Amino acid sequence: AQKITQTQPGMFVQEKEAVTLDCTYDTSDPSYGLFWYKQPSSGEMIFLIYQGSYDQQNATEGRYSLNFQKARKSANLVISASQLGDSAMYFCVGGGANSKLTFGKGITLSVRP
Amino acid sequence: DAGVIQSPRHEVTEMGQEVTLRCKPISGHNSLFWYRQTMMRGLELLIYFNNNVPIDDSGMPEDRFSAKMPNASFSTLKIQPSEPRDSAVYFCASSTFSTSGSTDTQYFGPGTRLTVL
Repeated sequence: AQKITQTQPGMFVQEKEAVTLDCTYDTSDPSYGLFWYKQPSSGEMIFLIYQGSYDQQNATEGRYSLNFQKARKSANLVISASQLGDSAMYFCVGGGANSKLTFGKGITLSVRP
Repeated sequence: DAGVIQSPRHEVTEMGQEVTLRCKPISGHNSLFWYRQTMMRGLELLIYFNNNVPIDDSGMPEDRFSAKMPNASFSTLKIQPSEPRDSAVYFCASSTFSTSGSTDTQYFGPGTRLTVL
């Protein structure tokens, strides 16, 4: 079984600044993946980035990067050059070999102009 | 490319009525997932299919819920009879299925917002 923990209260960031959203995980799967999804106020669930447990390098996708520290069991999302459209709920999600995803509780990010 | 398509986007019904939610996965994806999202419980996996076969339905709340996947491009989630506590956003997601042991990325549809009065 997996456990995903997101404990930060709602986060605020100034437009154009970088922000880090924290996530820790616990799993017994030897092979697993960590995902981040974004859910804006419109409600859709948008895939942002993926990190496999065996990946040697941190994943990056445009302004998103994943700070993956296996020893600490953390997979923090870094958003660079924040934009107003980044205001949303962000979910850290764990995936194991059984195809099932485990969602964290999410964190609300608000970008200030 | 078309993403996951869900219909209807919004559904308002009265308690006791039958509700059918529909999903068309991304072409070429062979895994399909149904989720429910509420403020109280967050996102819950209800059931998932691989190659049209239900693999795990342990998240289905009770016998009032049923799901089918008659072919690779269509799935339904049915609630009969519906109750107010079923009010939630229901998401369908699809992915490829890897036998290597890794988890493939799931792509979500826009969701169906269900309100049962």
